[in-house]
Amino acid sequence: DVKVTQSSRYLVKRTGEKVFLECVQDMDHENMFWYRQDPGLGLRLIYFSYDVKMKEKGDIPEGYSVSREKKERFSLILESASTNQTSMYLCASSLSKALNYGYTFGSGTRLTVV
Amino acid sequence: KNQVEQSPQSLIILEGKNCTLQCNYTVSPFSNLRWYKQDTGRGPVSLTIMTFSENTKSNGRYTATLDADTKQSSLHITASQLSDSASYICVVSGLDSSNTGKLIFGQGTTLQVKP
Repeated sequence: DVKVTQSSRYLVKRTGEKVFLECVQDMDHENMFWYRQDPGLGLRLIYFSYDVKMKEKGDIPEGYSVSREKKERFSLILESASTNQTSMYLCASSLSKALNYGYTFGSGTRLTVV
Repeated sequence: KNQVEQSPQSLIILEGKNCTLQCNYTVSPFSNLRWYKQDTGRGPVSLTIMTFSENTKSNGRYTATLDADTKQSSLHITASQLSDSASYICVVSGLDSSNTGKLIFGQGTTLQVKP
């Protein structure tokens, strides 16, 4: 089974801090995604990547950046954390761009910005 | 606008009972529809994935149906167990304005199974 591992389950950061959320997948998947999940809003796509060193903006990229230096690792960066970025962050990967491939999600990182 | 609407928003049932969750979508063009189960504080886990040509797909006590004509799907849970307590998310694959594949997520139905 594909495993998608997010480095932290829970994280508390101060406003203005630079925050790194790490995601690693172990099945050589091409595509990786970062979502945030908020009550009443569902999952919203922040950024995604179809290849190493490649990134594309999702629906809500403002305040975030990403890095994909290696195929298995996709990092989400909050340049200057703000309280409205308190959320559950989910990383996902899939084998191919083709729409009939499944997505595998990590367990999530619950980030609180105080 | 591509949208996925789920109902009910929440549901409480007794252990052993059956239940059905609904998903209506307006995504076009449509590629496939997925149901995920998300336990509290965890990431979503795939239950089923169906293309437009599939009407029914089962995964143990979970049975998903799809009517591509009416753009409706349902997830039926048989003989519910306490471990079925979770959020169930309907996700539809479509294409955005640049013809790039995109997942559109419903807001989920929260199911609570009581003993």
